[in-house]
Amino acid sequence: SHELTQPPSVSVSPGQTARITCSGDALSNQYAYWHQQKPGQAPVVVIYKDTERPSGIPARFSGSSSGTTVTLTISGVRAEDEADYYCQSADNSRTYVLFGGGTKLTVL
Amino acid sequence: EVQLLESGGGLAQPGGSLRLSCAASGFTFSSYVMSWVRQAPGKGLEWVSGISGSGGSTHLADSVKGRFTISRDNSKNTLYLQMNSLRAEDTAVYYCAKDSSSGSTVEAIEFWGQGTLVTVSS
Repeated sequence: SHELTQPPSVSVSPGQTARITCSGDALSNQYAYWHQQKPGQAPVVVIYKDTERPSGIPARFSGSSSGTTVTLTISGVRAEDEADYYCQSADNSRTYVLFGGGTKLTVL
Repeated sequence: EVQLLESGGGLAQPGGSLRLSCAASGFTFSSYVMSWVRQAPGKGLEWVSGISGSGGSTHLADSVKGRFTISRDNSKNTLYLQMNSLRAEDTAVYYCAKDSSSGSTVEAIEFWGQGTLVTVSS
């Protein structure tokens, strides 16, 4: 399958925990990456290889994986975390890069 | 510091052509798979094409097969996307992206350029 499925939107209040899921068959064999995109800006990687956090990304961002579903968790959400979040992986033959449809995180 | 700088975007007529370029610096360009990813206005990210470090292996999304060609010049640290037979639905910001893979297959986008806008309209 060449599909990754995300919820279109997630809303949380400041200080709460946001969880964004991504599902797809490819995730059982390939790593997931999470990209944050703010309006008018290029995406930035916030989680790589399912659970790793790049330098410079706040510790409130974390990732987890179980079977064909991966989850991005943002603990203690701040207003600056409001953005679109995309999960990304590759098909099992590593011919195609796959993106989820994106989740708009709204901080109420 | 990794830097990717796209150029070549602009207005093209339906059926026309454009060539995008991406100048890379801050890493050993010839060692990494590179990709083009696009984003139509108000839409999500769509992977377009990828190329191995040597340039010997290329892959295209079904939506652009037969119309787009990816290539690279490792002596110039530059990635290209030749876009022919352009359609209105090709209108998008096109991002140059560095993959984490040093092999011949794609793996993951780990760094993005700032993008260049392509508009296809008469």
